[in-house]
Amino acid sequence: AQKITQTQPGMFVQEKEAVTLDCTYDTSDPSYGLFWYKQPSSGEMIFLIYQGSYDQQNATEGRYSLNFQKARKSANLVISASQLGDSAMYFCAMRTIKAAGNKLTFGGGTRVLVKP
Amino acid sequence: EADIYQTPRYLVIGTGKKITLECSQTMGHDKMYWYQQDPGMELHLIHYSYGVNSTEKGDLSSESTVSRIRTEHFPLTLESARPSHTSQYLCASSVGQINQPQHFGDGTRLSIL
Repeated sequence: AQKITQTQPGMFVQEKEAVTLDCTYDTSDPSYGLFWYKQPSSGEMIFLIYQGSYDQQNATEGRYSLNFQKARKSANLVISASQLGDSAMYFCAMRTIKAAGNKLTFGGGTRVLVKP
Repeated sequence: EADIYQTPRYLVIGTGKKITLECSQTMGHDKMYWYQQDPGMELHLIHYSYGVNSTEKGDLSSESTVSRIRTEHFPLTLESARPSHTSQYLCASSVGQINQPQHFGDGTRLSIL
């Protein structure tokens, strides 16, 4: 079975500072992908960044980067230079090659509030 | 920009009514999904589809039903709405490759009085 754990229910971050959101995962499948989504208060889910289990490099997308530590089964999201618009819920998710329907397993989310 | 659309965006309706939540995508994706999410909580998969004429139950038991008669269309139906059905419902689609994200619609916020 697949499991995603996000241990930080909520965080405050000062505008222009960096913030790290924790994500640990558990799977017995050797091939898997890890995703981060942002959900603003309006409710839509916005895809941010992807990391594959066989990727040698940590993924980066603009101000988003992923600190992937395979041996520790962690995939932490780093948001650099936080902006007020970054205030949202952030979800870590995993998809494995064996999962029925290629479905995603989501963590419980972390709420980020950026302070001016 | 992903092209997946959900209607209505908001729905407030009385107990006992039949409800259909619409979801359409124009990307030709085979796989489609329905999630249920309470405010500030995690997403729970309630239905998914591999393709036309394929529907499967998800991880969370739901009284809703789905159909997939066309690739682009994946509606969710509640035959008799109850207050316990109050939640946000999110539709998503994807291709089969493991490295491809699921694309989400804007969601339907359903409130049953």
